[in-house]
Amino acid sequence: KAGVTQTPRYLIKTRGQQVTLSCSPISGHRSVSWYQQTPGQGLQFLFEYFSETQRNKGNFPGRFSGRQFSNSRSEMNVSTLELGDSALYLCASSLGMDEQYFGPGTRLTVT
Amino acid sequence: GESVGLHLPTLSVQEGDNSIINCAYSNSASDYFIWYKQESGKGPQFIIDIRSNMDKRQGQRVTVLLNKTVKHLSLQIAATQPGDSAVYFCAVPNAGNMLTFGGGTRLMVKP
Repeated sequence: KAGVTQTPRYLIKTRGQQVTLSCSPISGHRSVSWYQQTPGQGLQFLFEYFSETQRNKGNFPGRFSGRQFSNSRSEMNVSTLELGDSALYLCASSLGMDEQYFGPGTRLTVT
Repeated sequence: GESVGLHLPTLSVQEGDNSIINCAYSNSASDYFIWYKQESGKGPQFIIDIRSNMDKRQGQRVTVLLNKTVKHLSLQIAATQPGDSAVYFCAVPNAGNMLTFGGGTRLMVKP
């Protein structure tokens, strides 16, 4: 069974731009969660989607948004990028309320 | 809210020795705890979990101990191998699939 895939793996953007990251969960998984990982703040929860509905949201500004499609694939968007948004963005999928499987992440660099 | 802390940022052990990684949590109502391993360039990978009705759980070469009295858990790795070199996180699930992660401990295995 294929694991969680994230595209792109690496991305360089300029301050003020916006970016969209994509996550394809494991086949059959309906829950997709997003996390931001930085050296200073560690791993922080962004939001979770289940059956196309946002189920939980972390403490991030409204510039961070996401959505989930009917095939469970998910995208997250960051608008008006700031230098502090440079991070590894991780996606995790699960069947429901159980073990989460993480993808390799998208490394975003904002210059 | 939940906060999870780790006692040591870096742990260096000799190959073949046992490793112990510690984690403290703040919410006494937390009833489920997970340990993740993150290798360079990869997302976190589930190692082992434990529920609050247990104080010890064993896996393959790993043991998790839970002390609810002092809100502390530890991950023990027996006969540490070079492949165990990674960053280890403890995590506590909150609402839905929202995970609160500790800061991480980098385990370095010396040959």
